[in-house]
Amino acid sequence: EPEVTQTPSHQVTQMGQEVILRCVPISNHLYFYWYRQILGQKVEFLVSFYNNEISEKSEIFDDQFSVERPDGSNFTLKIRSTKLEDSAMYFCASSSARESYEQYFGPGTRLTVT
Amino acid sequence: AQSVSQHNHHVILSEAASLELGCNYSYGGTVNLFWYVQYPGQHLQLLLKYFSGDPLVKGIKGFEAEFIKSKFSFNLRKPSVQWSDTAEYFCAVTAGTALIFGKGTTLSVSS
Repeated sequence: EPEVTQTPSHQVTQMGQEVILRCVPISNHLYFYWYRQILGQKVEFLVSFYNNEISEKSEIFDDQFSVERPDGSNFTLKIRSTKLEDSAMYFCASSSARESYEQYFGPGTRLTVT
Repeated sequence: AQSVSQHNHHVILSEAASLELGCNYSYGGTVNLFWYVQYPGQHLQLLLKYFSGDPLVKGIKGFEAEFIKSKFSFNLRKPSVQWSDTAEYFCAVTAGTALIFGKGTTLSVSS
């Protein structure tokens, strides 16, 4: 069964550093998403991406964040100048259609900012 | 803005007990509703979904949910839980292309 994969599973970085979180969505999916979950809190939407551009983003997704589909298979989330409060689990998801039809989630990357 | 409330933070049941987890959403327009489950150490998986039609939807592993528009609710039910149902359960609703999640309910089932 096809699944969304994410690397790395755990990333530790120092405050102020840049990190890139990687995702490989399901191959025939066209819509891609990033969510995050700070420990003990809700899963929060960050951004959706379609046809090589951002479809929608939340208030959390400020200039510190960017997304890219650098090739036909990867989907990345870049966080510039990380802050302690960026420590969270970051989930990538993909779907075959708009309106969030059955978003398939990856296992997540745990980001720890020290 | 759309929001989702899950009333139960932690539910503890014995095997064979019945389960009902509450979920309410705030926006009254056309909504798509989901329940996701996260088993220990695994990623979020879709349990069931409601887009339109029959308000009683059946999902995997014997779960079902009922959409009650007048109550803005989408409660999850299972008549008889098993130890393997121990997991975290998330209710979610669409808002544009985003999924808006509730805080989740941890279900612990003792054998």
